[in-house]
Amino acid sequence: AQKITQTQPGMFVQEKEAVTLDCTYDTSDQSYGLFWYKQPSSGEMIFLIYQGSYDEQNATEGRYSLNFQKARKSANLVISASQLGDSAMYFCAMSPITGANSKLTFGKGITLSVRP
Amino acid sequence: GAVVSQHPSRVICKSGTSVKIECRSLDFQATTMFWYRQFPKQSLMLMATSNEGSKATYEQGVEKDKFLINHASLTLSTLTVTSAHPEDSSFYICSAKQGWNEQFFGPGTRLTVL
Repeated sequence: AQKITQTQPGMFVQEKEAVTLDCTYDTSDQSYGLFWYKQPSSGEMIFLIYQGSYDEQNATEGRYSLNFQKARKSANLVISASQLGDSAMYFCAMSPITGANSKLTFGKGITLSVRP
Repeated sequence: GAVVSQHPSRVICKSGTSVKIECRSLDFQATTMFWYRQFPKQSLMLMATSNEGSKATYEQGVEKDKFLINHASLTLSTLTVTSAHPEDSSFYICSAKQGWNEQFFGPGTRLTVL
C-alpha cells in the first residue's frame, strides 16, 4: 500500500518569492514515481513535475523543482519566483512503476495563495 | 502532453435519473482509464480502473451497479451514474494512460443532483 501525507495548512507567499510545499510518502515498492499536480479553481489537473525513485538528480521543470530525499521519504515541491497565477491547490501523488494499471495515490492537497 | 476530453463539463439532473459522462483520449490510444471523484476542498478518490474490452476494477466501497463503467474502445470510456441522488453530486475526473506512460487528466465534470 502507498500513502502520501500533505499536512501543511493553507500556504501564503508573496509574489516573486519562493515557496516549498511539503510531501512525505510511504511505500513498500522498490520502484515508484512521485508526481506533483496543480489544480486551479477551474478543476483541471495540471501535471507539474515527476521524479522517479531511481533518479539520482532532483527533477526540475522551469520554476518547479522537486527536492527528493529518498531516505527521509520526502518529495517537496519548490516553486521559485511565485506568480499570482500559481494560486491553486497542489497535490502530491505517487504510483508504482510496475505496469499499465498502476494507480496514482494522492495526498489531500495544499492550498497556495500568492499575494501581490 | 496528450489531450483528454470529458463531456459534459457540467450537468444538473433530477434525483432518480441516470447521467452518462464520457471520457475521450483525443490523440492517443488509452490502454487504461481511471475514474475519480472529488468533493469540494478534498483530494481525488479513485473509483475504478478500466481497460479496453474488459470489466472495470472498482475500489473498495464503490458500488459497481451504481457507477457503471464501459470502456468500449481505446479512446472512449463512459461512467454512468444510475439513479442519481443528491449525495452523488460531486466533481468527476477521468484520466487516461498509454502503457506505462503518465496519466493525462480530463477537465472534469461537475454533477449536481437536485
